[in-house]
Amino acid sequence: AQKVTQAQTEISVVEKEDVTLDCVYETRDTTYYLFWYKQPPSGELVFLIRRNSFDEQNEISGRYSWNFQKSTSSFNFTITASQVVDSAVYFCALRRKGAAGNKLTFGGGTRVLVKP
Amino acid sequence: EPEVTQTPSHQVTQMGQEVILRCVPISNHLYFYWYRQILGQKVEFLVSFYNNEISEKSEIFDDQFSVERPDGSNFTLKIRSTKLEDSAMYFCASSRDIQETQYFGPGTRLLVL
Repeated sequence: AQKVTQAQTEISVVEKEDVTLDCVYETRDTTYYLFWYKQPPSGELVFLIRRNSFDEQNEISGRYSWNFQKSTSSFNFTITASQVVDSAVYFCALRRKGAAGNKLTFGGGTRVLVKP
Repeated sequence: EPEVTQTPSHQVTQMGQEVILRCVPISNHLYFYWYRQILGQKVEFLVSFYNNEISEKSEIFDDQFSVERPDGSNFTLKIRSTKLEDSAMYFCASSRDIQETQYFGPGTRLLVL
């Protein structure tokens, strides 16, 4: 069975502070994908990043960066110099690779509140 | 940029009534999904659909639920006899291929009274 745990339910920061969201996953598969999605107050789910289990290189996209560590089964997400528009719920998700099944297993989400 | 669209954005219904939620996936995508999110909780997988068949479904997706691709563009989720606990946000998603990223629609918020 697959499981994603986001231990932080809510994080509150002041604008321009950095914020790191933790994601720990469990899977018996040797190959899989990891994802982060953003859910702003309007409710939609916005895709942010996909990571292949073979690729442990960290990734940076603007103010966003991701740290994937297979040894600790973690895929953490950092927002640098946070802005009010970053206020949202962020979900980490896991998916098997290949035809074995393509459903996404989501974590419980972390609500980020960025105060001006 | 192509998007997944969903209608209606909100639906209120009485317990026991049938509802149909509609989705238009991204046009060149072949895999379609429904997820739901009960208020304040995690997003849960319901069903995946490919080549006019269900390819995977969760325990939540019982006989009260059905999916259909009635034409070349729409993908629907029907709940035959709604219950109070069906109140949730329902998300449709699509992907070009089984390996590709799933892109989500804006959701339909269903309230069962």
